[in-house]
Amino acid sequence: TQLLEQSPQFLSIQEGENLTVYCNSSSVFSSLQWYRQEPGEGPVLLVTVVTGGEVKKLKRLTFQFGDARKDSSLHITAAQPGDTGLYLCASAGGTSYGKLTFGQGTILTVHP
Amino acid sequence: NAGVTQTPKFQVLKTGQSMTLQCAQDMNHEYMSWYRQDPGMGLRLIHYSVGAGITDQGEVPNGYNVSRSTTEDFPLRLLSAAPSQTSVYFCASSYTTGSDQPQHFGDGTRLSIL
Repeated sequence: TQLLEQSPQFLSIQEGENLTVYCNSSSVFSSLQWYRQEPGEGPVLLVTVVTGGEVKKLKRLTFQFGDARKDSSLHITAAQPGDTGLYLCASAGGTSYGKLTFGQGTILTVHP
Repeated sequence: NAGVTQTPKFQVLKTGQSMTLQCAQDMNHEYMSWYRQDPGMGLRLIHYSVGAGITDQGEVPNGYNVSRSTTEDFPLRLLSAAPSQTSVYFCASSYTTGSDQPQHFGDGTRLSIL
Protein backbone atom coordinates (compact mmCIF):
# COMPACT_ATOMS: atom_id res chain seq x y z
CA THR A 1 0.00 0.00 0.00
CA GLN A 2 1.36 3.39 -0.99
CA LEU A 3 1.81 5.74 1.95
CA LEU A 4 0.94 9.40 1.51
CA GLU A 5 2.44 11.96 3.87
CA GLN A 6 0.44 15.16 4.02
CA SER A 7 1.60 18.35 5.71
CA PRO A 8 0.87 20.38 7.63
CA GLN A 9 -1.81 18.60 9.63
CA PHE A 10 -3.35 21.88 10.82
CA LEU A 11 -3.38 25.38 9.35
CA SER A 12 -5.00 28.39 10.99
CA ILE A 13 -4.68 31.61 9.01
CA GLN A 14 -6.31 35.00 8.51
CA GLU A 15 -8.46 35.88 5.54
CA GLY A 16 -6.33 37.11 2.65
CA GLU A 17 -3.24 35.05 3.46
CA ASN A 18 -1.73 32.48 1.11
CA LEU A 19 -1.05 28.87 2.02
CA THR A 20 0.38 25.66 0.63
CA VAL A 21 -0.44 22.06 1.50
CA TYR A 22 1.94 19.25 0.56
CA CYS A 23 1.45 15.59 -0.29
CA ASN A 24 4.47 13.30 -0.61
CA SER A 25 5.17 9.63 -1.20
CA SER A 26 8.24 7.41 -1.53
CA SER A 27 6.51 5.72 -4.48
CA VAL A 28 5.52 7.07 -7.87
CA PHE A 29 1.90 8.14 -8.24
CA SER A 30 0.01 6.92 -11.30
CA SER A 31 -2.28 9.86 -10.67
CA LEU A 32 -3.19 11.99 -7.68
CA GLN A 33 -6.44 13.51 -6.54
CA TRP A 34 -7.22 16.33 -4.16
CA TYR A 35 -10.49 16.31 -2.22
CA ARG A 36 -12.12 18.84 0.09
CA GLN A 37 -14.40 17.77 2.91
CA GLU A 38 -16.73 19.93 4.98
CA PRO A 39 -18.09 18.90 8.40
CA GLY A 40 -20.91 16.38 8.15
CA GLU A 41 -20.31 15.69 4.48
CA GLY A 42 -18.29 13.35 2.32
CA PRO A 43 -15.15 14.40 0.42
CA VAL A 44 -15.68 16.18 -2.88
CA LEU A 45 -13.15 15.95 -5.68
CA LEU A 46 -11.31 19.18 -6.51
CA VAL A 47 -8.86 17.98 -9.15
CA THR A 48 -7.00 15.00 -10.62
CA VAL A 49 -3.40 15.39 -11.81
CA VAL A 50 -1.89 12.74 -14.03
CA THR A 51 1.20 14.07 -15.83
CA GLY A 52 4.52 14.87 -14.11
CA GLY A 53 5.04 18.64 -13.90
CA GLU A 54 1.36 19.30 -14.49
CA VAL A 55 -0.18 22.49 -13.06
CA LYS A 56 -3.92 22.96 -12.77
CA LYS A 57 -5.79 26.01 -11.56
CA LEU A 58 -9.26 26.18 -10.06
CA LYS A 59 -10.03 29.83 -9.32
CA ARG A 60 -7.72 30.71 -6.37
CA LEU A 61 -6.46 27.13 -6.02
CA THR A 62 -3.33 25.96 -7.85
CA PHE A 63 -2.39 22.29 -7.94
CA GLN A 64 1.06 21.05 -8.92
CA PHE A 65 2.25 17.54 -9.66
CA GLY A 66 5.98 16.95 -9.19
CA ASP A 67 8.13 16.11 -12.18
CA ALA A 68 8.91 12.69 -10.70
CA ARG A 69 5.24 12.15 -9.80
CA LYS A 70 6.11 11.50 -6.14
CA ASP A 71 4.79 14.74 -4.70
CA SER A 72 2.02 17.26 -5.15
CA SER A 73 1.02 20.58 -3.67
CA LEU A 74 -2.11 22.66 -3.29
CA HIS A 75 -1.65 26.42 -3.08
CA ILE A 76 -4.50 28.75 -2.12
CA THR A 77 -4.15 32.45 -2.86
CA ALA A 78 -5.93 35.03 -0.74
CA ALA A 79 -7.74 32.50 1.42
CA GLN A 80 -11.36 33.13 2.37
CA PRO A 81 -13.45 31.77 5.27
CA GLY A 82 -15.32 29.64 2.72
CA ASP A 83 -12.07 27.74 2.09
CA THR A 84 -12.25 26.31 5.61
CA GLY A 85 -12.35 22.52 5.57
CA LEU A 86 -10.37 19.30 5.47
CA TYR A 87 -8.15 18.86 2.42
CA LEU A 88 -7.17 15.35 1.45
CA CYS A 89 -4.80 13.99 -1.16
CA ALA A 90 -5.41 10.50 -2.52
CA SER A 91 -3.79 8.16 -4.97
CA ALA A 92 -4.44 4.71 -6.38
CA GLY A 93 -0.73 4.12 -6.80
CA GLY A 94 0.16 1.81 -9.63
CA THR A 95 -3.07 -0.16 -9.62
CA SER A 96 -5.76 0.11 -12.20
CA TYR A 97 -8.52 -0.07 -9.62
CA GLY A 98 -9.84 2.93 -7.73
CA LYS A 99 -8.41 1.61 -4.46
CA LEU A 100 -7.51 5.00 -3.13
CA THR A 101 -4.97 5.58 -0.40
CA PHE A 102 -5.55 8.85 1.43
CA GLY A 103 -3.20 11.18 3.22
CA GLN A 104 -3.99 12.08 6.84
CA GLY A 105 -5.54 15.35 5.74
CA THR A 106 -4.94 19.04 6.43
CA ILE A 107 -7.50 20.88 8.53
CA LEU A 108 -7.63 24.47 7.28
CA THR A 109 -9.30 27.23 9.25
CA VAL A 110 -9.53 30.68 7.70
CA HIS A 111 -10.49 33.40 10.16
CA PRO A 112 -12.38 36.51 8.98
CA ASN B 1 -30.00 13.40 -8.87
CA ALA B 2 -29.43 11.67 -5.51
CA GLY B 3 -25.85 10.43 -6.17
CA VAL B 4 -24.63 8.20 -3.31
CA THR B 5 -27.10 7.73 -0.45
CA GLN B 6 -26.08 6.31 2.91
CA THR B 7 -28.39 5.24 5.71
CA PRO B 8 -28.58 5.65 8.61
CA LYS B 9 -26.76 8.95 9.24
CA PHE B 10 -26.18 8.13 12.92
CA GLN B 11 -26.22 4.90 14.89
CA VAL B 12 -25.32 3.82 18.41
CA LEU B 13 -24.71 0.14 19.08
CA LYS B 14 -23.75 -1.99 22.02
CA THR B 15 -20.69 -4.20 21.85
CA GLY B 16 -21.55 -7.50 20.18
CA GLN B 17 -24.54 -6.25 18.22
CA SER B 18 -24.66 -6.58 14.46
CA MET B 19 -25.97 -4.11 11.94
CA THR B 20 -25.93 -3.23 8.25
CA LEU B 21 -24.93 0.15 6.83
CA GLN B 22 -26.76 0.80 3.58
CA CYS B 23 -25.29 2.42 0.47
CA ALA B 24 -27.09 3.04 -2.81
CA GLN B 25 -26.05 4.93 -5.94
CA ASP B 26 -28.21 5.92 -8.89
CA MET B 27 -25.44 6.74 -11.37
CA ASN B 28 -24.96 3.22 -12.80
CA HIS B 29 -21.41 3.17 -11.45
CA GLU B 30 -19.43 -0.06 -11.71
CA TYR B 31 -17.09 0.54 -8.79
CA MET B 32 -18.19 0.94 -5.18
CA SER B 33 -16.20 1.02 -1.97
CA TRP B 34 -16.41 1.53 1.77
CA TYR B 35 -14.01 3.64 3.84
CA ARG B 36 -13.76 4.46 7.50
CA GLN B 37 -12.51 7.84 8.68
CA ASP B 38 -10.81 8.24 12.03
CA PRO B 39 -9.15 11.41 13.40
CA GLY B 40 -5.64 11.95 12.05
CA MET B 41 -5.79 8.88 9.79
CA GLY B 42 -7.51 10.07 6.65
CA LEU B 43 -9.81 7.48 5.05
CA ARG B 44 -8.97 3.78 5.02
CA LEU B 45 -10.44 1.31 2.54
CA ILE B 46 -12.49 -1.51 4.07
CA HIS B 47 -13.95 -3.40 1.08
CA TYR B 48 -14.59 -2.66 -2.55
CA SER B 49 -16.50 -4.03 -5.52
CA VAL B 50 -15.72 -3.75 -9.23
CA GLY B 51 -19.18 -4.89 -10.28
CA ALA B 52 -22.26 -6.86 -9.25
CA GLY B 53 -21.29 -10.20 -7.72
CA ILE B 54 -17.62 -9.22 -7.21
CA THR B 55 -16.13 -7.98 -3.93
CA ASP B 56 -12.65 -7.83 -2.44
CA GLN B 57 -10.88 -6.74 0.71
CA GLY B 58 -9.25 -3.40 1.26
CA GLU B 59 -6.77 -2.26 3.88
CA VAL B 60 -8.88 -2.87 7.03
CA PRO B 61 -11.48 -5.59 6.27
CA ASN B 62 -11.55 -7.48 9.59
CA GLY B 63 -14.95 -7.43 11.31
CA TYR B 64 -16.83 -6.36 8.19
CA ASN B 65 -18.68 -8.18 5.40
CA VAL B 66 -20.00 -6.88 2.10
CA SER B 67 -22.10 -8.14 -0.79
CA ARG B 68 -22.99 -6.69 -4.19
CA SER B 69 -26.10 -8.35 -5.56
CA THR B 70 -27.05 -5.36 -7.73
CA THR B 71 -25.15 -2.53 -9.41
CA GLU B 72 -26.93 0.03 -7.25
CA ASP B 73 -26.48 -1.34 -3.72
CA PHE B 74 -23.40 -2.13 -1.64
CA PRO B 75 -24.27 -2.78 2.04
CA LEU B 76 -21.61 -3.06 4.75
CA ARG B 77 -22.31 -5.48 7.58
CA LEU B 78 -20.73 -5.35 11.02
CA LEU B 79 -20.77 -8.91 12.33
CA SER B 80 -20.20 -8.29 16.05
CA ALA B 81 -19.61 -4.63 16.83
CA ALA B 82 -16.54 -3.65 18.85
CA PRO B 83 -15.61 -0.24 20.32
CA SER B 84 -12.68 -0.09 17.86
CA GLN B 85 -15.25 0.14 15.07
CA THR B 86 -16.49 3.50 16.32
CA SER B 87 -15.88 5.69 13.30
CA VAL B 88 -17.44 7.59 10.44
CA TYR B 89 -18.12 5.32 7.47
CA PHE B 90 -18.21 6.57 3.90
CA CYS B 91 -19.44 4.79 0.80
CA ALA B 92 -18.05 5.89 -2.57
CA SER B 93 -18.65 5.03 -6.20
CA SER B 94 -17.05 5.71 -9.56
CA TYR B 95 -18.06 5.08 -13.16
CA THR B 96 -15.20 2.66 -13.82
CA THR B 97 -12.20 1.26 -12.00
CA GLY B 98 -9.54 3.51 -13.51
CA SER B 99 -7.04 4.94 -11.04
CA ASP B 100 -7.88 8.51 -12.12
CA GLN B 101 -11.63 8.10 -11.80
CA PRO B 102 -13.33 10.64 -9.52
CA GLN B 103 -14.88 9.04 -6.48
CA HIS B 104 -18.37 10.20 -5.47
CA PHE B 105 -18.90 9.98 -1.73
CA GLY B 106 -22.02 9.77 0.38
CA ASP B 107 -22.43 11.96 3.45
CA GLY B 108 -21.37 9.23 5.85
CA THR B 109 -22.74 7.17 8.73
CA ARG B 110 -21.53 8.14 12.19
CA LEU B 111 -21.33 4.97 14.24
CA SER B 112 -20.67 4.72 17.98
CA ILE B 113 -20.08 1.40 19.70
CA LEU B 114 -20.56 1.40 23.47
